[in-house]
Amino acid sequence: GDSVTQMEGPVTLSEEAFLTINCTYTATGYPSLFWYVQYPGEGLQLLLKATKADDKGSNKGFEATYRKETTSFHLEKGSVQVSDSAVYFCALSLIQGAQKLVFGQGTRLTINP
Amino acid sequence: KAGVTQTPRYLIKTRGQQVTLSCSPISGHRSVSWYQQTPGQGLQFLFEYFSETQRNKGNFPGRFSGRQFSNSRSEMNVSTLELGDSALYLCASRSGPTEAFFGQGTRLTVV
Repeated sequence: GDSVTQMEGPVTLSEEAFLTINCTYTATGYPSLFWYVQYPGEGLQLLLKATKADDKGSNKGFEATYRKETTSFHLEKGSVQVSDSAVYFCALSLIQGAQKLVFGQGTRLTINP
Repeated sequence: KAGVTQTPRYLIKTRGQQVTLSCSPISGHRSVSWYQQTPGQGLQFLFEYFSETQRNKGNFPGRFSGRQFSNSRSEMNVSTLELGDSALYLCASRSGPTEAFFGQGTRLTVV
């Protein structure tokens, strides 16, 4: 079945450090890929998305490129801030068939000043 | 444009009771999905409704049910609550096949 695997957390970095959170997927069709962020006590917010191979999604300094050859969608940011502390979820959704999101297990990110 | 609204935000129920959660999607969105979030199982898909019809269902027991009204508002119901049903229940709405927008969730605690 369709699945998403994220790098295990938690991840702790210092402010202004470079961030990478790995995400790989398995899908039977051609998925759209997403990164969602969840702040404490909140729901999920869409951070960025990519709908086809080689697309790059970007938002708030975060980027991720849809790599079909490696079935990956790694999240990167060049210089993290304390306010980036949250849980990050990689997810896929198939355009055809079931309109549901399949999530990775989430990666808790803590940024220290 | 108002976002996805879920009510109530917090609920405490006793084992064996039933509960109904409500979700109002973004105006114009006809698809509403429900997800359960727990520390152990993560985010799991419950079901999706589109134009008042259940279009997809996840792997949950029949105690979990839902419905959608003509104005696209949706409710989910859990009967005969168990301790393991304690979770954050998230509702998401979408207008097309790609991104979904989530509400803040309803935190259900079963005691």
